[in-house]
Amino acid sequence: DAGITQSPRYKITETGRQVTLMCHQTWSHSYMFWYRQDLGHGLRLIYYSAAADITDKGEVPDGYVVSRSKTENFPLTLESATRSQTSVYFCASGGQRNQPQHFGDGTRLSIL
Amino acid sequence: AQSVTQLGSHVSVSEGALVLLRCNYSSSVPPYLFWYVQYPNQGLQLLLKYTSAATLVKGINGFEAEFKKSETSFHLTKPSAHMSDAAEYFCAVSVGNEKLTFGTGTRLTIIP
Repeated sequence: DAGITQSPRYKITETGRQVTLMCHQTWSHSYMFWYRQDLGHGLRLIYYSAAADITDKGEVPDGYVVSRSKTENFPLTLESATRSQTSVYFCASGGQRNQPQHFGDGTRLSIL
Repeated sequence: AQSVTQLGSHVSVSEGALVLLRCNYSSSVPPYLFWYVQYPNQGLQLLLKYTSAATLVKGINGFEAEFKKSETSFHLTKPSAHMSDAAEYFCAVSVGNEKLTFGTGTRLTIIP
């Protein structure tokens, strides 16, 4: 089935460790996005990508790194995790301007 | 820059009663507006979208929203609430690009 999948669904790690969240979409959408969801803040954009090898910062990019070597994959890396990065992370994809985005089921990340 | 304000972080209605979730936007250009629903431990699903074709937009699950430019509003309504409508609802705006700006969400509780 076409869709967008995130892995892992749940992750617990320690401060200072590197962690990578995976996102894979099968729609061949041009655009992919990473958000974090925190109580009282809604969804905030971390990074997005317009195509393979094209990425750009969103509202809250500090402490995160992304790459997009293939259209279908858009991993998000926390190079040195901090407790403030404990959150639920959502990946989304979309094809065109002003069109809705399609979301994965999220990764719940806890940093101890 | 665009923004979205959702009035009321928590709304409770009785089963069978009218659901009204409020969304006001700020934009210097004609906006595209979206409502998403999030069920527990899931990603966001598109309920409906406004893309300037018609001011009254019908979505899934019996929801609809009306775009009112004079009031800069895009409130979500449903005539009769059902227990399955309990979820978190997000309003979002796009202003001519691929990025969405989300409100902080409204948690809807249905009282039996």
